[in-house]
Amino acid sequence: AQSVTQLDSQVPVFEEAPVELRCNYSSSVSVYLFWYVQYPNQGLQLLLKYLSGSTLVKGINGFEAEFNKSQTSFHLRKPSVHISDTAEYFCAVSESSNYKLTFGKGTLLTVNP
Amino acid sequence: DAGVIQSPRHEVTEMGQEVTLRCKPISGHNSLFWYRQTMMRGLELLIYFNNNVPIDDSGMPEDRFSAKMPNASFSTLKIQPSEPRDSAVYFCASSSGAREQYFGPGTRLTVT
Repeated sequence: AQSVTQLDSQVPVFEEAPVELRCNYSSSVSVYLFWYVQYPNQGLQLLLKYLSGSTLVKGINGFEAEFNKSQTSFHLRKPSVHISDTAEYFCAVSESSNYKLTFGKGTLLTVNP
Repeated sequence: DAGVIQSPRHEVTEMGQEVTLRCKPISGHNSLFWYRQTMMRGLELLIYFNNNVPIDDSGMPEDRFSAKMPNASFSTLKIQPSEPRDSAVYFCASSSGAREQYFGPGTRLTVT
């Protein structure tokens, strides 16, 4: 069965600093990987996805993630964060053989001035 | 595009009452998912419909929960009778068959 581990439950950073949110997954088959963002009192919004092809994936709001099959990781990065990036970020995995999205527990990113 | 629409946005009810949550998926999407989000358990998939047919309801907690999708543009999640431990945010999501799912704003349910 697939599983996702987000290693940090909270990440505080200062505005304009770089950030990396870590995600590791476990699966015995090929996977698709996603990052979603949830702003307070809102639903989840897709940031980016890896389905196939280039392992470096660019998403909305200046975020990018790199799929590393040997490390079973899909870390999310942004070179310079803004106050408005403060939100909860969820990593999710779907095996190629089924439709189910399994989510990590989430990482709360807090950007301070 | 209006996105996934859920109603109500907030629901407060007393233990034992029936609760019905509603979802309108994105037009043209043929897959619909109901999730529950709590602090303790995170995001859990409750049930998945494809072309209005329930495919997997293994995540439904117990018989008090039921879900229907009478047509391609409407789904309901019903809890009867409700209990305080059902308090959570319930999300509906839809998909066109591509892998990404699009989420609604959620319904925050409080059972007192």
